[in-house]
Amino acid sequence: ETGVTQSPTHLIKTRGQQVTLRCSSQSGHNTVSWYQQALGQGPQFIFQYYREEENGRGNFPPRFSGLQFPNYSSELNVNALELDDSALYLCASSLAGGQGGGTQYFGPGTRLLVL
Amino acid sequence: GQSLEQPSEVTAVEGAIVQINCTYQTSGFYGLSWYQQHDGGAPTFLSYNALDGLEETGRFSSFLSRSDSYGYLLLQELQMKDSASYFCAVRGQAGTALIFGKGTTLSVSS
Repeated sequence: ETGVTQSPTHLIKTRGQQVTLRCSSQSGHNTVSWYQQALGQGPQFIFQYYREEENGRGNFPPRFSGLQFPNYSSELNVNALELDDSALYLCASSLAGGQGGGTQYFGPGTRLLVL
Repeated sequence: GQSLEQPSEVTAVEGAIVQINCTYQTSGFYGLSWYQQHDGGAPTFLSYNALDGLEETGRFSSFLSRSDSYGYLLLQELQMKDSASYFCAVRGQAGTALIFGKGTTLSVSS
């Protein structure tokens, strides 16, 4: 296990609703990244936070937003949910400037189903 | 932008050796990583290559050729538990965030 935890593990929402997913990073890690993984696909980068600031974003609309807290935990918020948002949402922590090019340590994910 | 290509499926038998190839296109290169993901699980780090050559970690090795924009993951002495999806990934321009390939599903049979 990586020491990265995510909650909840599963979630069912309906179109148009809003959702907040949470992540606690591995001790000592100052960077959190969020990924969306659709069935049968690789994880897609949503955004990354370093020291409470967003410092990179993938090709996701503004209704995907996030926060990082002083203890380096993080939240992913998705507004106006769409059916295509159904996926596994993965949080990964890393140490900026760490060895191995900043190896990412993934949490178990939150599986979101939008009906 | 960045893109990665890897085979979608590979099958092998226990005890065999399998190689999973990955070619990439990036605007800047910050290393090639490999991750393993079992069904329903989280991706776990296997290896990282920043420089050309072979990196060995137990039964798994990873190779990189930057001039060819190519790498591979070599799995030896395959075991049933190696049945999983394997992803190659490059670092994006944003810090340590990764851009993943679509993954290769490895099925190991007895």
